[in-house]
Amino acid sequence: KQEVTQIPAALSVPEGENLVLNCSFTDSAIYNLQWFRQDPGKGLTSLLLIQSSQREQTSGRLNASLDKSSGRSTLYIAASQPGDSATYLCAPKGLWKLVFGTGTRLLVSP
Amino acid sequence: GAVVSQHPSRVICKSGTSVKIECRSLDFQATTMFWYRQFPKQSLMLMATSNEGSKATYEQGVEKDKFLINHASLTLSTLTVTSAHPEDSSFYICSADRDRGLGGTDTQYFGPGTRLTVL
Repeated sequence: KQEVTQIPAALSVPEGENLVLNCSFTDSAIYNLQWFRQDPGKGLTSLLLIQSSQREQTSGRLNASLDKSSGRSTLYIAASQPGDSATYLCAPKGLWKLVFGTGTRLLVSP
Repeated sequence: GAVVSQHPSRVICKSGTSVKIECRSLDFQATTMFWYRQFPKQSLMLMATSNEGSKATYEQGVEKDKFLINHASLTLSTLTVTSAHPEDSSFYICSADRDRGLGGTDTQYFGPGTRLTVL
C-alpha cells in the first residue's frame, strides 16, 4: 500500500525566499507524480506533472524533481510571494490511482 | 485545458436525506472518474473509482450502499450520499482521467469540490 509523507507539514517564510518542499513515497512502482496546490476551502490546482521516465519539470518559478528509485520528489519554489500561500500536495500515481500526501501548509508573509 | 465541473458547489441538508453530487468532464471523455473525500485539515482520501458502464470499485472502509456511484456516460459521474448524517459532512472532490489510451500516464483533472454540511 502506497504511503506518502510530506515534510515539512507547515512552513512560514518571508517574501522572496527560495523554498524546498519534500515528498517521499513507499512504493516506487509509479507512472507519474503530480504536485497540486489547494487554497483554503477550494479544489485542487495542478502545478506540475512528472512522468516516471523524467527527472524534473519546470513551470515558471516552480521546479519539481523526481527520484523514483529512492521514492522522493521535491518542489522548489523560487522567489516566493504572498500569493504562493496555500497547501501543497504531492500525489504519486500507480496504475490508476493517485495517492495524496499529507500536504505542506505554506505561508509567505509580505 | 481540460475542465471538470461539479454541482452543486455547496449543499446543506437535514440528517436522513439523500444528496446527489454531479461530476462532469466538459471537454473530454473520461472512461474513469474518481471520488475523494477530504475532512478539515486532512488530505484527500480516495473513496471509489468509477468506470463508465460498470460498477464502481470502492476503497476499503467505504460503504457502497451509502455512497452510490453511477457513471452513466463518458462525461458524467454522480455520487449520491444516502441517508446522510452529520459525520458525512465533508468536502467531496471528483476527478477524471483524460482518456488518451495511455493507461497510467493519463493526467487526472480535478473538479472544484462540493462542500456537504449535514445538520
